[in-house]
Amino acid sequence: DTGVSQDPRHKITKRGQNVTFRCDPISEHNRLYWYRQTLGQGPEFLTYFQNEAQLEKSRLLSDRFSAERPKGSFSTLEIQRTEQGDSAMYLCASSLGPLVTQYFGPGTRLTVL
Amino acid sequence: QKEVEQDPGPLSVPEGAIVSLNCTYSNSAFQYFMWYRQYSRKGPELLMYTYSSGNKEDGRFTAQVDKSSKYISLFIRDSQPSDSATYLCAIIYKLVFGAGTILRVKS
Repeated sequence: DTGVSQDPRHKITKRGQNVTFRCDPISEHNRLYWYRQTLGQGPEFLTYFQNEAQLEKSRLLSDRFSAERPKGSFSTLEIQRTEQGDSAMYLCASSLGPLVTQYFGPGTRLTVL
Repeated sequence: QKEVEQDPGPLSVPEGAIVSLNCTYSNSAFQYFMWYRQYSRKGPELLMYTYSSGNKEDGRFTAQVDKSSKYISLFIRDSQPSDSATYLCAIIYKLVFGAGTILRVKS
């Protein structure tokens, strides 16, 4: 399967714990995006990378959130000191460049108890 | 005002109906418009994309953009129960999605 993959698919954690999600984009795609989606809402942009450079961060991305793409391939999204409001589906997408189709992974569903 | 507005529905139609899904947007600088379909507990999958104004057809799906009124539409002909999903319009300029419209096609 050459699509975007995400791991884990589901994560349940207690408030205050740290969690880390991984995204593996389509191999030749140089752009990688993170979105957050809550029930009844469309995906909301969090941040994106062009190769290993993080080019834009949404104001939704508080100081507790950090994303990396160290070698321009896979990316990780870490949430520190999780809060119940962080419960959502975290989606990763990749594209070949700007203004072109973004392909989404299946998402990681986070539940913070 | 949100940059992209979309009626969340749900929209319930009988099998075989023509479905019209719509979004409005606020910034005339937007040029690329996409429709994604999202099944429950899955990531969005691209259905169609258009650039600027006009129509684009792909099988039973037609995407339409009216830049003068900042209005985009997705038409589904001969709707099937398998079309039941949430349909998201997306504006690719600042990576902004609508809230999604839930469509239910009854057999």
